[in-house]
Amino acid sequence: AQSVTQLDSHVSVSEGTPVLLRCNYSSSYSPSLFWYVQHPNKGLQLLLKYTSAATLVKGINGFEAEFKKSETSFHLTKPSAHMSDAAEYFCVVTRDSSGGSYIPTFGRGTSLIVHP
Amino acid sequence: NAGVTQTPKFRVLKTGQSMTLLCAQDMNHEYMYWYRQDPGMGLRLIHYSVGEGTTAKGEVPDGYNVSRLKKQNFLLGLESAAPSQTSVYFCASSYSGSLPGYEQYFGPGTRLTVT
Repeated sequence: AQSVTQLDSHVSVSEGTPVLLRCNYSSSYSPSLFWYVQHPNKGLQLLLKYTSAATLVKGINGFEAEFKKSETSFHLTKPSAHMSDAAEYFCVVTRDSSGGSYIPTFGRGTSLIVHP
Repeated sequence: NAGVTQTPKFRVLKTGQSMTLLCAQDMNHEYMYWYRQDPGMGLRLIHYSVGEGTTAKGEVPDGYNVSRLKKQNFLLGLESAAPSQTSVYFCASSYSGSLPGYEQYFGPGTRLTVT
């Protein structure tokens, strides 16, 4: 079975400081991993994805994530937070269903708060 | 392209009433999904569809039914609404799901309140 754990329900940073959102996964095979962002009262938007190519993945708006197989982690980082980064972030791993489809499993989300 | 659209955006139901949520996508995607989002729970999969005419249960299917009569539409039905179904519902689609790397595209959500 596959699952994903977001280690922090809330992360608070000051504008201009680095952002680290932590995600650990469990998977019985080489997974595909995603980060999505949800701004208040909006749908979800893809930030970046890992699909067994380069382990350091660059996404939109200056975010990046590093796949570390030995640590089963896929943490999301950004060097300098902007006020517009305040949102909910979801880590997602795809799991193999019994029918041969790869179904996404969502973490519970991390709320990023950015202070002026 | 409109992407993924959901109808309605808001709805208030009384306990026991029924309703149908409509999801439409114009990207010719094979897979479609219905999720519910509750505070602190992330997104939980209700049902999904791997193609026209096929559906499957997700993590929390009880109290919901779905249909995919046309490739571009995925309907979510509540036959007898309960207060526990108060939630924000999101529809998503992906080009495929037969390989693990395809991202999902999400609709804007439907906020449902059951009193």
